[in-house]
Amino acid sequence: KNEVEQSPQNLTAQEGEFITINCSYSVGISALHWLQQHPGGGIVSLFMLSSGKKKHGRLIATINIQEKHSSLHITASHPRDSAVYICAVGTGNQFYFGTGTSLTVIP
Amino acid sequence: DAGITQSPRHKVTETGTPVTLRCHQTENHRYMYWYRQDPGHGLRLIHYSYGVKDTDKGEVSDGYSVSRSKTEDFLLTLESATSSQTSVYFCAIKSGDVYEQYFGPGTRLTVT
Repeated sequence: KNEVEQSPQNLTAQEGEFITINCSYSVGISALHWLQQHPGGGIVSLFMLSSGKKKHGRLIATINIQEKHSSLHITASHPRDSAVYICAVGTGNQFYFGTGTSLTVIP
Repeated sequence: DAGITQSPRHKVTETGTPVTLRCHQTENHRYMYWYRQDPGHGLRLIHYSYGVKDTDKGEVSDGYSVSRSKTEDFLLTLESATSSQTSVYFCAIKSGDVYEQYFGPGTRLTVT
């Protein structure tokens, strides 16, 4: 069973496009995280949120607790945004992870 | 990076040999985690620790053991490595009562 589902699995965009990655979860959570992983690289936390919306530069994350759904938006995408984006939820003392969305932004 | 290091960063070993991976943190966090990351599966929990000598199993714990004799160190041992344990292993910590998780740089393990 997958507690966290992400879509799409793969995404290719032209530079400048608006990008949306979706995450649905099936467990009660304390917080939801969006993580970024560049090829061959480590995992970096972009956002942690438990309600509403957060913005950091060109990245926006929203969460709807009632619908158990979150979205990560990237405005004016850039080739350096090419990475795997991972949705994760924290519940109790454990975390559950989606399989990731691989984003490629073409110049 | 919350002061998390992993060693070694890369290792190639033969089937049947024991392997120990080390995770070291410098900020006295109580919770530490070991995950493996494989294509198509995402990050999966192997074991976690909630204090010195306090550990619990995750969803993919078979073939792995852990130890935590000091707050700063969390060791993952493969008693007899198998090819199915070829993976990238990440250590992580949970920051206090906040559900913020920070990851180490990862260890790429290849079992031949």
